[in-house]
Amino acid sequence: DTEVTQTPKHLVMGMTNKKSLKCEQHMGHRAMYWYKQKAKKPPELMFVYSYEKLSINESVPSRFSPECPNSSLLNLHLHALQPEDSALYLCASSQRLAETVTQYFGPGTRLLVL
Amino acid sequence: KQEVTQIPAALSVPEGENLVLNCSFTDSAIYNLQWFRQDPGKGLTSLLLIQSSQREQTSGRLNASLDKSSGRSTLYIAASQPGDSATYLCAVHTGTASKLTFGTGTRLQVTL
Repeated sequence: DTEVTQTPKHLVMGMTNKKSLKCEQHMGHRAMYWYKQKAKKPPELMFVYSYEKLSINESVPSRFSPECPNSSLLNLHLHALQPEDSALYLCASSQRLAETVTQYFGPGTRLLVL
Repeated sequence: KQEVTQIPAALSVPEGENLVLNCSFTDSAIYNLQWFRQDPGKGLTSLLLIQSSQREQTSGRLNASLDKSSGRSTLYIAASQPGDSATYLCAVHTGTASKLTFGTGTRLQVTL
C-alpha cells in the first residue's frame, strides 16, 4: 500500500477562522512533508518532519503551524490566513529523510480563504 | 539557488505518437531526479526516480534519462494514449537531503 490520505478534500475558511489539515500514511515512513501549490505553479516545500521532529521550515509564516503527533499523522493548523494562502496543500511521505528515496504524495486539500 | 525549467510548457499530440519532455536544472550537484505526473486538481504520482549515478530508468512506455553534468533530463513516452494527458513535473533532490525543487511542468494533451 503506497497511499497517503488527506482530509478534507476541500476547505473554505474566513480570515478569522482556525482550521486544520490532516495527512495520514501507514507505510511505516518516518519522513513527512507539507507542500503548497498555487494554480499553474509547481509545488513548493513548506515543512519536513523526520522521526516526528521538525527538520525543515522553509521560512513559512507563523499562521501555518505544523504538528506531527505520531509517525503516521501530520497536521497543518491554520489561523488568520490571507486570501493569497488559497492553494492546493499537498502532503508527502518517504521511508526516511534521504536523497535516495521516493516521496509519495497525497491527493491534496484545496483551500480557499475568503 | 537551484532552478528547474521544463520545455515545452504545453504540448498537444495525436494518439500513438512518441514524445519527449525536457527538464533542465542549474545546479548539477543533485542527489537524484524524479518525474511525476499530476492530473488536474489532484496530487502527484511518482513515475520514475533516477539516482545521480544512473543514466536512465525505464518503466513500461516511459524512459527517463539523466545527464547530470549538463543539467538535463528527458522523459520519453512511447505510443502515447489519451490517458497520458496530464501535467508532467520533474523535481531534483538538491542541497539538504530530501528537499525537492520542482520544475515548471509540461501540460500534455493526447488527442484521439
